[in-house]
Amino acid sequence: AQRVTQPEKLLSVFKGAPVELKCNYSYSGSPELFWYVQYSRQRLQLLLRHISRESIKGFTADLNKGETSFHLKKPFAQEEDSAMYYCALKGAAGNKLTFGGGTRVLVKP
Amino acid sequence: GAVVSQHPSWVICKSGTSVKIECRSLDFQATTMFWYRQFPKQSLMLMATSNEGSKATYEQGVEKDKFLINHASLTLSTLTVTSAHPEDSSFYICSAREGRGPGNTIYFGEGSWLTVV
Repeated sequence: AQRVTQPEKLLSVFKGAPVELKCNYSYSGSPELFWYVQYSRQRLQLLLRHISRESIKGFTADLNKGETSFHLKKPFAQEEDSAMYYCALKGAAGNKLTFGGGTRVLVKP
Repeated sequence: GAVVSQHPSWVICKSGTSVKIECRSLDFQATTMFWYRQFPKQSLMLMATSNEGSKATYEQGVEKDKFLINHASLTLSTLTVTSAHPEDSSFYICSAREGRGPGNTIYFGEGSWLTVV
């Protein structure tokens, strides 16, 4: 079975401060990990995926297979980063996404 | 970019009636569509995976006779909540995968609020 855990429901940081959203997963094979973001009153959209190894809007995430983690980081948070963030896993079968519980990020001025 | 559209965005129905939600891929062909349910302040829970031209695959605990899914074309999937009850009130989200490859991007619809009174 595949499972994704986001231990923090809410992260509140000041503008310019670093922010790290934790994500741990459980999967027996080689997963593909994603971060999705949902801004207020908007649809869910892909932020980044681990296979791309890219930085989007200043966010990065590294897959750590030893710790089964895929934490999302940004060194300097901006107010426009305030949103709901979901970590998601897709198994080797490549079909369905399993989402974590989500973390709400609030960036204060 | 690719867009997935859901209709209606919100609907109120009476208990015991059925309601249909549509999910369309507007500018791409989606051989696979997914239906999720999201309760307030909770995560998305996958209900079923829908492949064009075949029966949907339901997740454990999801009643297939209550949540009827039809994926008759490469751009349209529908979710029908039959004999709706207040506990079916929720936010329903669909997503669609572009093309056939499992590595292809998945796009999400804007969601549909269902309130059963």
